[in-house]
Amino acid sequence: EPEVTQTPSHQVTQMGQEVILRCVPISNHLYFYWYRQILGQKVEFLVSFYNNEISEKSEIFDDQFSVERPDGSNFTLKIRSTKLEDSAMYFCASMLTLYNSPLHFGNGTRLTVT
Amino acid sequence: EDKVVQSPLSLVVHEGDTVTLNCSYEVTNFRSLLWYKQEKKAPTFLFMLTSSGIEKKSGRLSSILDKKELSSILNITATQTGDSAIYLCAVTGDMRFGAGTRLTVKP
Repeated sequence: EPEVTQTPSHQVTQMGQEVILRCVPISNHLYFYWYRQILGQKVEFLVSFYNNEISEKSEIFDDQFSVERPDGSNFTLKIRSTKLEDSAMYFCASMLTLYNSPLHFGNGTRLTVT
Repeated sequence: EDKVVQSPLSLVVHEGDTVTLNCSYEVTNFRSLLWYKQEKKAPTFLFMLTSSGIEKKSGRLSSILDKKELSSILNITATQTGDSAIYLCAVTGDMRFGAGTRLTVKP
């Protein structure tokens, strides 16, 4: 069964450094998402992406964050200058259609900012 | 602001018990509601509900949507320790998740 893949599974970085989290969504899916989950807390929506542009972003997704789909397969989340509070699990997800198909999640990237 | 609210936030039961988890929503453009189970890592899909009153079933799990009450329930019968997880719901279109219900099943 096709799946969403995320790399790396764990990333450790120093405060102030830039990180890029990578995702390969399911190939025929059209809608892409990033979520964040701080340890022990809820799954928080960051951004949705469709047709090569951001459809919606949350208040968490400030100027330090950006997303890109540089080619037909990858979908990346960049954090420009990481802060300690960016430490979390980041999930990528994709959907075939907006309303009548489930969201498929990758296994996540655990980001640790020291 | 659109909202998805789950209750209870936490539940501890013993094996064999039946549990009912609730998800209520206030969204402007409702299309469908999704249930997920999260164990150690990524949420895994359980159900998608689009029509009111039609029960979806998978083994000991079942779920139903009530569009009049803007809510859904997830039932788990004859619970097992392997059902211990966080159960999440989300509404499509909005794609925000509720805070989840942490279910602990004791042997």
